[in-house]
Amino acid sequence: QQQVKQSPQSLIVQKGGISIINCAYENTAFDYFPWYQQFPGKGPALLIAIRPDVSEKKEGRFTISFNKSAKQFSLHIMDSQPGDSATYFCAAGGSNYQLIWGAGTKLIIKP
Amino acid sequence: DAGITQSPRHKVTETGTPVTLRCHQTENHRYMYWYRQDPGHGLRLIHYSYGVKDTDKGEVSDGYSVSRSKTEDFLLTLESATSSQTSVYFCAIRMNQHLYNEQFFGPGTRLTVL
Repeated sequence: QQQVKQSPQSLIVQKGGISIINCAYENTAFDYFPWYQQFPGKGPALLIAIRPDVSEKKEGRFTISFNKSAKQFSLHIMDSQPGDSATYFCAAGGSNYQLIWGAGTKLIIKP
Repeated sequence: DAGITQSPRHKVTETGTPVTLRCHQTENHRYMYWYRQDPGHGLRLIHYSYGVKDTDKGEVSDGYSVSRSKTEDFLLTLESATSSQTSVYFCAIRMNQHLYNEQFFGPGTRLTVL
């Protein structure tokens, strides 16, 4: 019940295209769903996050879509750029101040 | 920048030796976390702390111990390092003033156990 399943493991997208990464969770007590971006040799950095009381949150080219009934959420990167090439992690958290992490998606944007 | 530093940044050690990794923060945040990151596993929580001398285990705590004698420092110790503990270790903090569980990460320590 504590797992967060992330897909795909890797993704190649042409420059200007839309990158979509999906996550699914099991524990309905989760109430915080962040996405992190990690470049090689660096720590993960918080990119965008959503709470379950909204179905979508947009920040610039990055959008989280949230489907509470399906227990799924996804990250959409519009107009993907080579600088977006990184590993992306989804996570889910509740009231215990811990986050449960997806396994990560390595995104490559081809110029 | 959450003011988190980790030391050392890289370490190579031999099986059976003790190793201590340090996480230092400058902003008095209450919650601190130690994770390990391995390919295909994402981030796995080792231990976390919710105050000075207050710590608890995460999902992969076997073989690791922690200590927090000051708010700003959270130490991770491998009592007798094994090759399976070769990994990248990240420290994270949760900002005191944030309502939700946003965590901010240090730059990581790459540990190799030969």
